[in-house]
Amino acid sequence: EDKVVQSPLSLVVHEGDTVTLNCSYEVTNFRSLLWYKQEKKAPTFLFMLTSSGIEKKSGRLSSILDKKELFSILNITATQTGDSAIYLCAVEASTGNTPLVFGKGTRLSVIA
Amino acid sequence: DAGVIQSPRHEVTEMGQEVTLRCKPISGHNSLFWYRQTMMRGLELLIYFNNNVPIDDSGMPEDRFSAKMPNASFSTLKIQPSEPRDSAVYFCASSGWSSYNEQFFGPGTRLTVL
Repeated sequence: EDKVVQSPLSLVVHEGDTVTLNCSYEVTNFRSLLWYKQEKKAPTFLFMLTSSGIEKKSGRLSSILDKKELFSILNITATQTGDSAIYLCAVEASTGNTPLVFGKGTRLSVIA
Repeated sequence: DAGVIQSPRHEVTEMGQEVTLRCKPISGHNSLFWYRQTMMRGLELLIYFNNNVPIDDSGMPEDRFSAKMPNASFSTLKIQPSEPRDSAVYFCASSGWSSYNEQFFGPGTRLTVL
């Protein structure tokens, strides 16, 4: 059975700290790994990773994939209170337009 | 583009009542997904459609749940009869045909069954 495990489940940091969120997966016919940010409403897309070792970057957020060890990390530097959210990792298996398998998420709280 | 549209945004109902959740995917997208999110279980796929055809409904918890997609711009998720354990946020997402699968989520329907 396809599985995505995220850690930690919850994290509280001070503004300015750097955080690393982890996502490990077991899935047949891996195609891509996606990171989403969920604040009060729906998940919003952050990154899609398909190749090992290539960092994706957007502002203070970056992510990298290791297809050999089957994991990804999401880094946030100089955290701000607006980064407080649930960060979801999802994996796509097989061909396009198939369901994503989601982890349970990491709840990040950034306090001033 | 308005994005994925869901209605209602919130619903509170009594146990035993029928509940119907509605979703309008992004125009041009050919896949639609229904998810349920709870604190305990996270985000779970219930059912998904490709080109209006249900592909996999193995995530639908029981016969009380049913979903339809009569056309490319509309889908419903029905729970009949509803039970308190159905309380959750129900998300609809859609994606277009491409090599990779970026799904766009609607705002969700928060369902509370008393």
